[in-house]
Amino acid sequence: QQQVKQSPQSLIVQKGGISIINCAYENTAFDYFPWYQQFPGKGPALLIAIRPDVSEKKEGRFTISFNKSAKQFSLHIMDSQPGDSATYFCAARTGTASKLTFGTGTRLQVTL
Amino acid sequence: GAVVSQHPSWVICKSGTSVKIECRSLDFQATTMFWYRQFPKQSLMLMATSNEGSKATYEQGVEKDKFLINHASLTLSTLTVTSAHPEDSSFYICSARQGASNSPLHFGNGTRLTVT
Repeated sequence: QQQVKQSPQSLIVQKGGISIINCAYENTAFDYFPWYQQFPGKGPALLIAIRPDVSEKKEGRFTISFNKSAKQFSLHIMDSQPGDSATYFCAARTGTASKLTFGTGTRLQVTL
Repeated sequence: GAVVSQHPSWVICKSGTSVKIECRSLDFQATTMFWYRQFPKQSLMLMATSNEGSKATYEQGVEKDKFLINHASLTLSTLTVTSAHPEDSSFYICSARQGASNSPLHFGNGTRLTVT
């Protein structure tokens, strides 16, 4: 059972555009939702994270929007740059379990 | 920031041999470490949770006798792939948590295992 569903699978955005990646979850016990960025041959790096008591969190060009009632959250990358080209994973965790459940990943390509 | 170091970054071994992968937290003590496996263009799948000084907890479907995990200190966990076969070829990634269960996870750079 895929507990965290992520879309799209791949995304091509022009430089300067907005990249939007969506995730949906089923388990209402999840209370921490991070996004990771992974470059080929590297481990994932934490990009930004949110807890369900807020609807939005912004760090630089990266924003998480969170809709608790819909059990959905999304990552927005503003002014996308070629250096943002990577695979992005959403994830979810319950505080007591502490282990992360990952989405299926989105391969982002930012073109010139 | 917290750094997790994994070694080796890549390894090639022959079928039937065993391979050990190390995961170290360099500037913090990690009471819990996690081992993931990632196949090409796929997501990370949790294999096991490693707690310092106790037996690892394996996810359903992961053979504990094949993937031996040892977490002997607060800064080191090892994953040994025993009697490796080509289907074990994958990208293995560890992560470590500093402190409480709600602390962020820090990931290593992964180990690319190729079994010939």
